[in-house]
Amino acid sequence: KNQVEQSPQSLIILEGKNCTLQCNYTVSPFSNLRWYKQDTGRGPVSLTIMTFSENTKSNGRYTATLDADTKQSSLHITASQLSDSASYICVVSDRGSTLGRLYFGRGTQLTVWP
Amino acid sequence: EADIYQTPRYLVIGTGKKITLECSQTMGHDKMYWYQQDPGMELHLIHYSYGVNSTEKGDLSSESTVSRIRTEHFPLTLESARPSHTSQYLCASSLTQNLQETQYFGPGTRLLVL
Repeated sequence: KNQVEQSPQSLIILEGKNCTLQCNYTVSPFSNLRWYKQDTGRGPVSLTIMTFSENTKSNGRYTATLDADTKQSSLHITASQLSDSASYICVVSDRGSTLGRLYFGRGTQLTVWP
Repeated sequence: EADIYQTPRYLVIGTGKKITLECSQTMGHDKMYWYQQDPGMELHLIHYSYGVNSTEKGDLSSESTVSRIRTEHFPLTLESARPSHTSQYLCASSLTQNLQETQYFGPGTRLLVL
């Protein structure tokens, strides 16, 4: 069964600290993996996308890694800010075309305290 | 920021009422989607469309219906709302480039059925 599991379910950190969010998937075949940020009451916004051949991708203070062999990904946030408080969702696509299907994780709810 | 809009943003309505959730995008994307998301849970695909006059049911069974008469608009209708329909509804459209599909989400409609 194709699944996307994220951990932890929720996380509280102090402003300025770093954190790492995890995503494990069983989706096959695999096309790409995205991390989305969803602010409360808003739609998800794409942070990074990685294909099978990519191991790491950065977007400002966000760095995503991918190990396609172990089917694991992580999202590292550096020097957290209050505006980083949001849900971070891992999404895996099973093929890179308009016929591809997306599998969503439940997200990690990150809270950054001052 | 994606040019995809949803109205209303919030809706409180009584059981048995007919409602239509609006979604429009100005990016000229052919493919559009409706997702349902409960708090702390993953997004579930309920409808999608490949283009004008094309509509398909998603993975999650839904009593709602959709139409796609124009590329820009993808409204979702509930003929008779029930408390079980209380949820957040997210609309998205997508663009495929280099075999990678990117979905752009609207801000969502939070529906409460009393």
